[in-house]
Amino acid sequence: DVKVTQSSRYLVKRTGEKVFLECVQDMDHENMFWYRQDPGLGLRLIYFSYDVKMKEKGDIPEGYSVSREKKERFSLILESASTNQTSMYLCASSYIEQSLWGNQPQHFGDGTRLSIL
Amino acid sequence: ELKVEQNPLFLSMQEGKNYTIYCNYSTTSDRLYWYRQDPGKSLESLFVLLSNGAVKQEGRLMASLDTKARLSTLHITAAVHDLSATYFCAVDNFEEGAQKLVFGQGTRLTINP
Repeated sequence: DVKVTQSSRYLVKRTGEKVFLECVQDMDHENMFWYRQDPGLGLRLIYFSYDVKMKEKGDIPEGYSVSREKKERFSLILESASTNQTSMYLCASSYIEQSLWGNQPQHFGDGTRLSIL
Repeated sequence: ELKVEQNPLFLSMQEGKNYTIYCNYSTTSDRLYWYRQDPGKSLESLFVLLSNGAVKQEGRLMASLDTKARLSTLHITAAVHDLSATYFCAVDNFEEGAQKLVFGQGTRLTINP
């Protein structure tokens, strides 16, 4: 089974702090994604990466950055946390075939519930 | 801009009944995904639909895709309590690049005994 592991289930930080959310997958997937999930809005894509050191903006990248130094690890960085970034953050991964032919689903981690005070 | 809308957003139903969740999307795509999420849990893939007329079934759930109508449905047959969860559809916005999924708002399904 695919395993996507997020480093923390719950995290509480203060406004202005630099926050790191870590995600590791064990299936040698090329693609990795960060989403945030808010009630009534579904999931919204923040950033994704299709290779080491590659990154692409999603629909809501403002206030976030990412890092992918190794294939299995994708980090989301909140440069200066703000209260409107309180949310559930979900990491996902998939094989490159998913982007070429769409025939594979993305696999999700359990999520990190982040509160910014 | 691709928009994905699900309805209903909340659904409470009795065990044994049938119902359908609808997923409408605004631009051309023939890649649609259904996911299930239990409270406090991750998203679990249910179905991958890749062409017009695609139909997939697993147990009491059946999903279909009509790309001309830009509509997918998730049909629940003879509902049981274990199907209580939030269901999301997601559409691949591949016209803007590799697999940028756009999700619907989710449908919270509660099945009462």
